[in-house]
This record gives sequence, C-alpha cells and structure tokens, in this order.
Amino acid sequence: GESVGLHLPTLSVQEGDNSIINCAYSNSASDYFIWYKQESGKGPQFIIDIRSNMDKRQGQRVTVLLNKTVKHLSLQIAATQPGDSAVYFCAETSGSARQLTFGSGTQLTVLP
Amino acid sequence: DAGVIQSPRHEVTEMGQEVTLRCKPISGHDYLFWYRQTMMRGLELLIYFNNNVPIDDSGMPEDRFSAKMPNASFSTLKIQPSEPRDSAVYFCASSPRVNEQFFGPGTRLTVL
Repeated sequence: GESVGLHLPTLSVQEGDNSIINCAYSNSASDYFIWYKQESGKGPQFIIDIRSNMDKRQGQRVTVLLNKTVKHLSLQIAATQPGDSAVYFCAETSGSARQLTFGSGTQLTVLP
Repeated sequence: DAGVIQSPRHEVTEMGQEVTLRCKPISGHDYLFWYRQTMMRGLELLIYFNNNVPIDDSGMPEDRFSAKMPNASFSTLKIQPSEPRDSAVYFCASSPRVNEQFFGPGTRLTVL
C-alpha cells in the first residue's frame, strides 16, 4: 500500500529502569550487526556491535543479544538515564559487503 | 580527532537551484558513505567510496544527484536541479575498516 511515513515504534521507560529495544532482520546471510543511537539533530552514533559467531556482547551499561534462529537482535540498556533518550537503529551487513542496511528505528523516551 | 565534518549544517534553497553538500572524513579512513534520512524512507545509502573511487552508487535517486571525492579528505554531493522532494537530512560517514562507520552531524536541506 501507499506509504504515509515511517511509524517509529516507541518505548517509554522510567529513569533507572532497564530498557530493551528489539530489532528483526531479514537477511539470513547477515553476519555483522551494529546498534546506533541518534539524538535529535545529530548523526547516528555507534553504540555496540556483534558478529554472528556470538550470541551476546556486553559494553558499558549496554548488552546486545543475537538470536540467529529467529533473526532477532536486542539492545538492553541498564539503569536508563535521561541522556539515553534517542532513536535507536539496528544495522546489518554480510560478508565483504560494505553497505549497512538500517532498520526503521525505535524512539526511546526516558521519563523522570 | 574532530570527527566527520559536514557543511553547511543547514541549507534552504529554491526549487531548480544547485545544491552542494560537503564532507571531510576522519583522517585515515578509506571508506566514505553518503546517506539520506527522511521520515518517509528512513536512512538510505546513496553512494560510497573506497580510496576515493565510487564503488556503489545504486542508491543515488536519479541523474540530478552526483557525488565526487577528489581526494582522501574531501567529498561533495551535488543536486542539480534541486526539487522539494529532495528535502531531507544528508549524512556523510567514514570508515577505517570493515563495517564500522562514523557519522557526521548531517546537513538539513530544505528545497522550497
């Protein structure tokens, strides 16, 4: 049907709670995944990445989980802070390809 | 490092005018990418370069769009003639190796 614009999924969490942002990818050949954070008026910023030979990777307050069986990726943010409010994108690529394919993004809002 | 630098940050022009967007990648990065972001279509890859050579321009919308990279520290994206539907935020990103991309702050283009 005719597109009327992207409908960004939204997630609202209380400050201090944990956040889980989900992403489904379509290409079963994708072997490298990245989460980006985009604050209003800024470019996407790298958060964390994971390769397909792993199912979990941890960073500072963030964890990425990869389930290749169902082609699902999630980003967990511990103790969410107001500064975490942003749009979060997952991106995938495969093999020697240079292009990243971006998801449509999730708007995270942290409530005081 | 100053990161990826884009200019101008904002551009307002009238339909039919030529628009030139500029990008300075991070020093030492061999790859440079141009993206367009709109509410309708999200983040789309337009073209990317490796060592100043265009590798894939399949995302360039039409012949009105052109991109050049005369040297390792400078790239331009030109739209001639511009149309209102070109209004978007244009991002440049650079990359030192496989897949990891660093984005600039973007240029917000409005074509009246």
